[in-house]
Amino acid sequence: GDSVTQMEGPVTLSEEAFLTINCTYTATGYPSLFWYVQYPGEGLQLLLKATKADDKGSNKGFEATYRKETTSFHLEKGSVQVSDSAVYFCALTRNTGGFKTIFGAGTRLFVKA
Amino acid sequence: NAGVTQTPKFRVLKTGQSMTLLCAQDMNHEYMYWYRQDPGMGLRLIHYSVGEGTTAKGEVPDGYNVSRLKKQNFLLGLESAAPSQTSVYFCASSYSAANYGYTFGSGTRLTVV
Repeated sequence: GDSVTQMEGPVTLSEEAFLTINCTYTATGYPSLFWYVQYPGEGLQLLLKATKADDKGSNKGFEATYRKETTSFHLEKGSVQVSDSAVYFCALTRNTGGFKTIFGAGTRLFVKA
Repeated sequence: NAGVTQTPKFRVLKTGQSMTLLCAQDMNHEYMYWYRQDPGMGLRLIHYSVGEGTTAKGEVPDGYNVSRLKKQNFLLGLESAAPSQTSVYFCASSYSAANYGYTFGSGTRLTVV
């Protein structure tokens, strides 16, 4: 079945450091890929998306490229801020069957001032 | 702009008690979902609905029931609560999740003692 694997955390960085959170997936067909962010005590919020191979999703300085050849969707940001501290979830959504979404386990990011 | 509203936000139940979690959305979305979030496991789908009057099982449906009598509401019931159902429950809705992703509520933290 479909699955999403993302790097274990926590990831601890200093402010202005470069961020990479790895995400790989297993799925048949052509799912859409997403990154969601969860701040403490809140629900998940959509951060960015890519709906087909080679698409690049971007938002708030974060980027991720849908790589079908490596089944990956790694999240990157050039310069993190303290306010980026949160839990990040990689996810895939099928285009059929009720648009069910499979989530990775989440990666907690701590950014130090 | 309310989005997705979950009630209650917190609840403590005794083993064997029953309760209903309410999810309401004001975006006219067809698709609604209930997930549970447990440490290190990401989010797992309990039940979902593809429209008013429809429901379907997700990955972990045992011990839960749902109803979607009105398009804007999706209720999650616990018939006889067990400690294993201690979790944070999230409701989400979507217009077309493969293209737009989910909108999440802020969650219900349930403890079963």
